[in-house]
Amino acid sequence: GQQLNQSPQSMFIQEGEDVSMNCTSSSIFNTWLWYKQEPGEGPVLLIALYKAGELTSNGRLTAQFGITRKDSFLNISASIPSDVGIYFCAGLSFQTNAGKSTFGDGTTLTVKP
Amino acid sequence: DAGITQSPRHKVTETGTPVTLRCHQTENHRYMYWYRQDPGHGLRLIHYSYGVKDTDKGEVSDGYSVSRSKTEDFLLTLESATSSQTSVYFCAIMGGDEQFFGPGTRLTVL
Repeated sequence: GQQLNQSPQSMFIQEGEDVSMNCTSSSIFNTWLWYKQEPGEGPVLLIALYKAGELTSNGRLTAQFGITRKDSFLNISASIPSDVGIYFCAGLSFQTNAGKSTFGDGTTLTVKP
Repeated sequence: DAGITQSPRHKVTETGTPVTLRCHQTENHRYMYWYRQDPGHGLRLIHYSYGVKDTDKGEVSDGYSVSRSKTEDFLLTLESATSSQTSVYFCAIMGGDEQFFGPGTRLTVL
């Protein structure tokens, strides 16, 4: 099946620093999604990307849909303690019956005040 | 709030017993999904549905079955639970090109 490689696996940063994480795949996706998950909760959608080369921002978050359609990047600027959580990328491809997402294994972000 | 609820939120059961988890949506979306989440594995698709009575297998479907008799409800059944099915289970719906998740069910099989 399709595989996503998400890196880094974890990050420990100081408050105020910028963060970058990425996902790569050997497969092409129609849509890239980025989620954040906090303990005891389901993933919450942060940003959705629909076109190759697209750059989209949501507050301090910026994500890009790679031009090859096989990768995506998420940047967080000026991190704050509430950014702590696990960030997941997901590639979405529409097949015969339904859109099916493939998820990366997540990047665990720790922000030190 | 994407209008997805899951029940129960927590369950402890014994090996060999049947278990049914329920996902309920108020968004009238066609597509619904069941995932499991385990440490180090992210989210893995178990089964999905593309309409009432229309379901298909995901990448980790062995030991699970699903049913969808109404648009709003998607049930996941473990016919005979095993310890390897201890996990957190998430239901999701697809709205447009975006997928939204429920709060999860933590299942422990002893």
